[in-house]
Amino acid sequence: DAKTTQPPSMDCAEGRAANLPCNHSTISGNEYVYWYRQIHSQGPQYIIHGLKNNETNEMASLIITEDRKSSTLILPHATLRDTAVYYCIVRVGGQGGKLIFGQGTELSVKP
Amino acid sequence: KAGVTQTPRYLIKTRGQQVTLSCSPISGHRSVSWYQQTPGQGLQFLFEYFSETQRNKGNFPGRFSGRQFSNSRSEMNVSTLELGDSALYLCASSLGQGLPRFGSGTRLTVV
Repeated sequence: DAKTTQPPSMDCAEGRAANLPCNHSTISGNEYVYWYRQIHSQGPQYIIHGLKNNETNEMASLIITEDRKSSTLILPHATLRDTAVYYCIVRVGGQGGKLIFGQGTELSVKP
Repeated sequence: KAGVTQTPRYLIKTRGQQVTLSCSPISGHRSVSWYQQTPGQGLQFLFEYFSETQRNKGNFPGRFSGRQFSNSRSEMNVSTLELGDSALYLCASSLGQGLPRFGSGTRLTVV
């Protein structure tokens, strides 16, 4: 079973920041938080991951709470092309290709 | 660098038939994993191959099988197709134990 809880859907206005929450209250000390997204009928796309420090790359920022029980993915300036299902996944690093997906959050970016 | 390539993109089969799907990983990636995505069950891990050996397996019946060749290309086979096997089948490749990168999938329809 997935170890994460996400809201099923969210809306965001184009140009605004999209903040997607994820709860992972049972996370272990050696487990990372990964984010993928899936645009309709395409394969999931890796976005970002982190262990305990906040992370930023060209796509997004990942904020992990100090107790690591929750995190937030931030898309700083959402565009219509960011409309997708976003998956938060928790697992130990270095486990190759096996990912356990939950139901994810369907983000709708609106003009 | 070319991404993960899956063929065919779309397929229609009849109940009781068998089907073979193909996946070419990113150059240099030796791990290939397979996923099934349906509206009811979401994204589910099928199995993973590394250096021609299965190293992880999900909870699917024996009708679902796979193999990997010496050039890391992989095939997935489903025998005695059922209507419930209609799904998007996704392949992902990893560099060793690294994060999987996904292809665009094969949409299988069983009639």
